[in-house]
Amino acid sequence: GPKVLQIPSHQIIDMGQMVTLNCDPVSNHLYFYWYKQILGQQMEFLVNFYNGKVMEKSKLFKDQFSVERPDGSYFTLKIQPTALEDSAVYFCASSLLGETLYFGSGTRLTVL
Amino acid sequence: GDSVTQKQGQVTLSEDDFLFINCTYSTTTYPTLLWYVQYLGQGPQLLLKVTTANNKGISRGFEATYDKGTTSFHLQKASVQESDSAVYFCALVTSNMGYKLTFGTGTSLLVDP
Repeated sequence: GPKVLQIPSHQIIDMGQMVTLNCDPVSNHLYFYWYKQILGQQMEFLVNFYNGKVMEKSKLFKDQFSVERPDGSYFTLKIQPTALEDSAVYFCASSLLGETLYFGSGTRLTVL
Repeated sequence: GDSVTQKQGQVTLSEDDFLFINCTYSTTTYPTLLWYVQYLGQGPQLLLKVTTANNKGISRGFEATYDKGTTSFHLQKASVQESDSAVYFCALVTSNMGYKLTFGTGTSLLVDP
């Protein structure tokens, strides 16, 4: 099936630092998403992005979070500054029409 | 609001056992329902999808039937294999400002050989 690539697979940073998580979505997809998963638990929606704009964000999408997809390249999630509670696995997903999402393998973020 | 409920946190079976994972949903719109499977260390993968146009989805021996009366979308498989061990998420497509998936809490399936 379609492949979504996430780089890196694991990132460790100190609390207060900035981190950028990268996602290479499926090339012809139009909708992009970030989800957060703690300790293999529920997938929690953070944000969706379409046509260069954030469409909807959840209460988990704090002011320290931002997303962008400059020039149609990587879809990124930036956290600045990071907090301990940001430690989780972050999954990127993309979709052509918005209903069926294809997920990457995730980036495990550890904030020390 | 839109929600999905999976009451079973963990299911343990032996090979060739029958699998049944419960999922119920709540929404005010016509639902599109999906089952995703997540293997250890990977992202969720689409297993099957059902819309109001086709109320049953079948994939890889798994099937799920959408029942509007009971607002259920249970996942079944006649005979599980060890390779089916994974976490299974029921999900509901919701639309507010664009589409997104609302996931259930997941059911961890362990199949003993």
